[in-house]
Amino acid sequence: KAGVTQTPRYLIKTRGQQVTLSCSPISGHRSVSWYQQTPGQGLQFLFEYFSETQRNKGNFPGRFSGRQFSNSRSEMNVSTLELGDSALYLCASSEQGSFSNQPQHFGDGTRLSIL
Amino acid sequence: DQQVKQNSPSLSVQEGRISILNCDYTNSMFDYFLWYKKYPAEGPTFLISISSIKDKNEDGRFTVFLNKSAKHLSLHIVPSQPGDSAVYFCAASGMAGGTSYGKLTFGQGTILTVHP
Repeated sequence: KAGVTQTPRYLIKTRGQQVTLSCSPISGHRSVSWYQQTPGQGLQFLFEYFSETQRNKGNFPGRFSGRQFSNSRSEMNVSTLELGDSALYLCASSEQGSFSNQPQHFGDGTRLSIL
Repeated sequence: DQQVKQNSPSLSVQEGRISILNCDYTNSMFDYFLWYKKYPAEGPTFLISISSIKDKNEDGRFTVFLNKSAKHLSLHIVPSQPGDSAVYFCAASGMAGGTSYGKLTFGQGTILTVHP
């Protein structure tokens, strides 16, 4: 069974630009969560999608948004990039999300660097 | 407000001995706990989990213990192997209504080094 696939693996952008990251969950998984990992803040929850609906959102500004498609694939968009957005962005999938006590399985992330 | 804490930034263990990684939490609404292992340039890999209705769960060399009254969990690795050297994260999720969907709250991680 293929794991969670994130593309691209690395991105370099400049301040003010926008970026779109992609995530393909494990086949059959309907819940997709996104996290930001930085040295200072650790792993922080961004948002979660299930059946094309955002069910939960973390404490991030509105520049961070996402969506989920009917095949459960998800994209995350960050607009007006700031230097502080440099981070590893991780996507995780699970069958139904935390209510069903199913573990989340992570992709290898997209390393975003802002110049 | 750090709801999940791993107070030991690093742990060094000899091959063959037991590794014990610790995690404390403050939110009494957490009811599901997980441990992940992370190598550089890779995403976290799920190791083992435990529901709050249990106090112990085993999977091969890995055992997780949960002490709800102390709001403390630990991961035991026996015997430790050099390939276990990685960063270990504990994470928690809870039934706190809609704010729980798909959200894991992570500790800051513990770097485990297993020496041959």
